[in-house]
Amino acid sequence: DGGITQSPKYLFRKEGQNVTLSCEQNLNHDAMYWYRQDPGQGLRLIYYSQIVNDFQKGDIAEGYSVSREKKESFPLTVTSAQKNPTAFYLCASRPTGGNQPQHFGDGTRLSIL
Amino acid sequence: AQSVTQPDIHITVSEGASLELRCNYSYGATPYLFWYVQSPGQGLQLLLKYFSGDTLVQGIKGFEAEFKRSQSSFNLRKPSVHWSDAAEYFCAVGAAGGGNKLTFGTGTQLKVEL
Repeated sequence: DGGITQSPKYLFRKEGQNVTLSCEQNLNHDAMYWYRQDPGQGLRLIYYSQIVNDFQKGDIAEGYSVSREKKESFPLTVTSAQKNPTAFYLCASRPTGGNQPQHFGDGTRLSIL
Repeated sequence: AQSVTQPDIHITVSEGASLELRCNYSYGATPYLFWYVQSPGQGLQLLLKYFSGDTLVQGIKGFEAEFKRSQSSFNLRKPSVHWSDAAEYFCAVGAAGGGNKLTFGTGTQLKVEL
């Protein structure tokens, strides 16, 4: 079945370390998105990409980086510059063209040790 | 800039009772509106969407929503709630172009009493 796979489900990081969250989709979608979810704050957009080798900052990009070398993959790196990285991270994708909704993966919960 | 307000943080209803979750949006043009549901520790599942046309839209799991332009609202309704509907519900507004980014509300946590 087609879908979006985020791994790992749970991730622990020591302070000062970078960590990369994986997002893979086999839906043949052009656009991909990363959101951060904190209790009581809804979802906030970190980065998005509409096409391979291109991406744009969202509302809270500081301390994060992404790459889009393949259509299927949009990994998110949480750098040591992100001062409060503990959160639930959600990846989404959608086809371009027309009015299509975003589809979401099951998320990765990142915690600081 | 677009924004979404979900005024109810928590709602508790009895199983079998009707449900209405409120959503108000701010957007300069005709909005694209969505309702998503999230179970604990899971991703978001699309319940329904509005792009244009009929202002009453039907979704999955027996949910419906009505777009009211004059009130800038897109409230979610269900005539009879089931215990399995307990979850968090998010309203979102989208923009055509510019990456089709979504702006989410802060969510409404639904509890269902048996």
